[in-house]
Amino acid sequence: SYELTQPPSVSVSPGQTARITCSGDALPKKYAYWYQQKSGQAPVLVIYEDIKRPSGIPERFSGSSSGTMATLTITGAQVEDEADYYCSSTDSNGTRWVFGGGTKVTVL
Amino acid sequence: QVQLVQSGAEVKKPGASVRVSCKASGYTFTDYPMHWVRQAPGQRLEWMGWINPGNGKTKHSQKFQGRVSITRDTSASTVYMEVSSLTSEDAAVYYCASPGPDIPTAAAFWGQGTLVTVSS
Repeated sequence: SYELTQPPSVSVSPGQTARITCSGDALPKKYAYWYQQKSGQAPVLVIYEDIKRPSGIPERFSGSSSGTMATLTITGAQVEDEADYYCSSTDSNGTRWVFGGGTKVTVL
Repeated sequence: QVQLVQSGAEVKKPGASVRVSCKASGYTFTDYPMHWVRQAPGQRLEWMGWINPGNGKTKHSQKFQGRVSITRDTSASTVYMEVSSLTSEDAAVYYCASPGPDIPTAAAFWGQGTLVTVSS
């Protein structure tokens, strides 16, 4: 089955830039999506269709994609950005979703 | 505004079935698919399947084929997800999630989650 691979953890100091990668064979042809999940809460969409930011999501969150890798960047990370981040996409047929393993972002 | 409200927590015995509901409001129910995603304690998000509320067609993750049923009641703007033959590995928080008018391709909206406990 199709898989998306993320690093388990990323640490960054407040105000610095955090980058989270997501690799998958179908990403050259399929969009990547990014979700933020804080402890005990439902996920929140922070980036969709590789680069788009939903209304209400701070501008410090941005996305990019090149080849088989998508990247979520948090520019000027804040303490409140500490969370698990999941990338998501679809299989090559576009009919089934898949999630990456999640990346725990620590800001300290 | 778009809201997805799920049914309450469930405690089930191994081998039993559980049905979780998700009531949608704030948009035209039949316009967007409804997905189900679960998360076992300390584990990743896991996509289970989706339903097209307009025609009732479904698509499932191969992992859950044959053991998960997703249905809808258009008159109640509600989607149901049933898991049969429960084991301890099915203990998880189950979420419904849907795209929306401004973001038609992603899970823009999520229910609050339903905790399913499997215990003898």
